[in-house]
Formats: sequence, structure tokens, C-alpha cells
Amino acid sequence: ETGVTQTPRHLVMGMTNKKSLKCEQHLGHNAMYWYKQSAKKPLELMFVYNFKEQTENNSVPSRFSPECPNSSHLFLHLHTLQPEDSALYLCASSQDSGRAGEQFFGPGTRLTVL
Amino acid sequence: DAKTTQPPSMDCAEGRAANLPCNHSTISGNEYVYWYRQIHSQGPQYIIHGLKNNETNEMASLIITEDRKSSTLILPHATLRDTAVYYCIVRVVNDMRFGAGTRLTVKP
Repeated sequence: ETGVTQTPRHLVMGMTNKKSLKCEQHLGHNAMYWYKQSAKKPLELMFVYNFKEQTENNSVPSRFSPECPNSSHLFLHLHTLQPEDSALYLCASSQDSGRAGEQFFGPGTRLTVL
Repeated sequence: DAKTTQPPSMDCAEGRAANLPCNHSTISGNEYVYWYRQIHSQGPQYIIHGLKNNETNEMASLIITEDRKSSTLILPHATLRDTAVYYCIVRVVNDMRFGAGTRLTVKP
């Protein structure tokens, strides 16, 4: 595997379900990011991790819970989501957060909340 | 907090140069200009960045005006695969603020 991978690529869940999105980067980077892209809206930065430490939370609701066990893996745990949370969730990485301008993105997880 | 302004859409003929403009009139002296693109249903892809000087890589050229208030991304020989949304971003601290971008359609 190369670059940034995300699993699953598609996810359908009910509002009472608990699921997790996974991101893995094979680039030796130390910063990882979660973005949300809703239909016809710009990308919204959700969370930033630098050397496994969360450095940014952009006022994201607590029903989204990130986890970064090491510099290569990033998870987004989802619970009691709302239909308006349906979106493309993108993971990205960069050398470190100081080089956030050059991010490598994964293909995204298309999430549908019923 | 520098913002950018881009035209919402542009067309380009296949094989011709695509010139995508971006205005960033409030840019600060130490802020870089970054360009990304997003092909439909994929993650964004980094293209190029610059501070003052013009830059070129295997994908594109970036021309930044002397006063740094605007820039142009040039795809020298556009192909159908270059059809995408192109984002011009002025980096604010550690954030990459993606706007609406320019939807470039390359036509045969």
C-alpha cells in the first residue's frame, strides 16, 4: 500500500449505530487530519493531530470522536449521528503540522446516515 | 486571515493552456499560496505552492504578481483528466482553508 488509505470507502449507518472510520498513511508523516465535505460545501477541517497529539478541534460535535494511536493511523469513531452528518470524510497527512500546506489526501469515506 | 477569490467555473479546450486566476489581496508577507485540485469523488491533490517567485513543477506553473495580490495557475497542455475543482489557498497558521474553488472543465 502506498500513500493514504481509508476504510471503508462507503458506509451506511442508522442514527443509533456506532461505527469507526480508519485512515492509514504509509508516507512516514507525523501529522494527520480529518476533513468533512458535505454536498456543495467546501472542505471543513475537523481535527488535527501532530505527533499523536491532538492540536486542533474545530468545534466538532462530541458524536465524532477521533483517535490517533500512532503517527500512521487515525480513526474517527461515530455514534448517534444525524442525517446531516452524511458527507465525504477525508483523511490527510503531512510531514508535520508545520508543513500543513503540503497534505496528501486519502480517497475518502462516503458516509450516509439514515 | 487572507481570503481568496476564484471564478466559480471555467472551460478550456483540450491541448490548450488552462489559466486559473486567484485574487488574494489581503495576503500577508509570510503567507504562501497553495494550489490543490479535486477530481470528482476523490480526495484533493496538492499541485504547487509559492511565496514570491514563479514556480514550476511537472504538473503546473504558478505565477504570482509582484505585489502578491493575485496569482495564476497554468496547466500548459490541459487534458480531459485535468477536469476538476481547483482550489487556491493562502495558508493561515496550520489551517488549510478550502474555499469553493474553480470548476475547470476541459472539453475535447
